Amino acid sequence: DAGVTQSPTHLIKTRGQQVTLRCSPKSGHDTVSWYQQALGQGPQFIFQYYEEEERQRGNFPDRFSGHQFPNYSSELNVNALLLGDSALYLCASSLEVAGAYEQYFGPGTRLTVT
Amino acid sequence: QQQVKQSPQSLIVQKGGIPIINCAYENTAFDYFPWYQQFPGKGPALLIAIRPDVSEKKEGRFTISFNKSAKQFSLHIMDSQPGDSATYFCAASYMSGTYKYIFGTGTRLKVLA
Repeated sequence: DAGVTQSPTHLIKTRGQQVTLRCSPKSGHDTVSWYQQALGQGPQFIFQYYEEEERQRGNFPDRFSGHQFPNYSSELNVNALLLGDSALYLCASSLEVAGAYEQYFGPGTRLTVT
Repeated sequence: QQQVKQSPQSLIVQKGGIPIINCAYENTAFDYFPWYQQFPGKGPALLIAIRPDVSEKKEGRFTISFNKSAKQFSLHIMDSQPGDSATYFCAASYMSGTYKYIFGTGTRLKVLA
């Protein structure tokens, strides 16, 4: 059973550019969440997608947007990149079963903005 | 109220020791508390989780102790091994309503051989 996969592994962009990160959830999972993890910090919630809609959003600007496809895979888009956007971007998938809601993380995409 | 405070920031123990990592929260509406292990360059991996209706949960060498009245919970790693050297994160969430996890700042654990 494949776990959560993310692509690309690493990415280097210039300030002002746009970037798209991709995530495939664990088999059978229908919910995808995105987190930003700055170096030495805990992950910070960006947003969550369920049934192809944004269900909840964290404290991130509108430059961060996303999408979920019918096969439950997801994309994270960041426009007008800033140096401060450099971080590890994590995707987590989950499936609510009998009140349990465990999130399983992918390996992340390391984004460097120069 | 949305914060989860984690301590210590770093921890060094000898092989076989029992490192203890502590977390505290303010929001009494939280009802799900997972712990994650993260190795350098990897995503966090779910270790163990607890609901507030139990005071302790064990899975292998990992134990969560939960004190609802103090709004604190902790991770104990029994018979620690050098392979346990990693960063550990606690988190808190609601099982319904909102779905995001609030993470602590992490504890970097080093187990000496």
